[in-house]
Amino acid sequence: QVQLVQSGAEVKKPGASVKVSCKASGYTLTDFVMHWVRQAPGQRLEWMGWIDADKGNTKYSQRFQGRVTITRDTSAGTAYMELSSLTSEDTAVYYCSRGIIGDYWGLGTLVTVSS
Amino acid sequence: DIQMTQSPSSLSASVGDRVTITCRASQGIRNDVNWYQHKPGKAPKRLIFSASGLQSGVPSRFSGSGSGTEFTLTITSLQPEDFATYFCLQHNSYPTWTFGQGTKVEIK
Repeated sequence: QVQLVQSGAEVKKPGASVKVSCKASGYTLTDFVMHWVRQAPGQRLEWMGWIDADKGNTKYSQRFQGRVTITRDTSAGTAYMELSSLTSEDTAVYYCSRGIIGDYWGLGTLVTVSS
Repeated sequence: DIQMTQSPSSLSASVGDRVTITCRASQGIRNDVNWYQHKPGKAPKRLIFSASGLQSGVPSRFSGSGSGTEFTLTITSLQPEDFATYFCLQHNSYPTWTFGQGTKVEIK
């Protein structure tokens, strides 16, 4: 069955970067695009960006442009989202979601930014 | 940017009740809306795609309707396992997504 297996929770200091992984299981990573979404405490879900896992093309939300990088390792069947220059406002649960219209999601990765 | 306004933000209901949740889009988005159920510590689960398509394996008490700017998720005869948060997602502006703010369905 399809699963998106995300990496574990992270605690980072302000100014640091975090890299979250999302391993595709039950299907071939390159057959679908992958989106990254986050949810800060008390806030609605927010789209961060997307990668065409076959071609490697990306598109990012303007809100995160310059701070977010989405990549993939096709041999590992894994997509990655890296967010830099972290502040406390980046404390959130980060999700990956498969496909043009999000049929499967990962469990989420809690990233806490605290000094 | 397309905005999605979801209501209510929370509701209390009893087992067996009929529940209706609405998402309104800031502009016409055809039927490019999905609905999801999200329980704490679990992955969001897609219930409805393309406004009214029932995801395989999802009970028929869940239904979706609407097109253009107004969309509705209905749960007929709420079951104990349905207490969760529900949210809508619009993908008309693909690849950009926007979301409703979520509706928490609690036990009355």
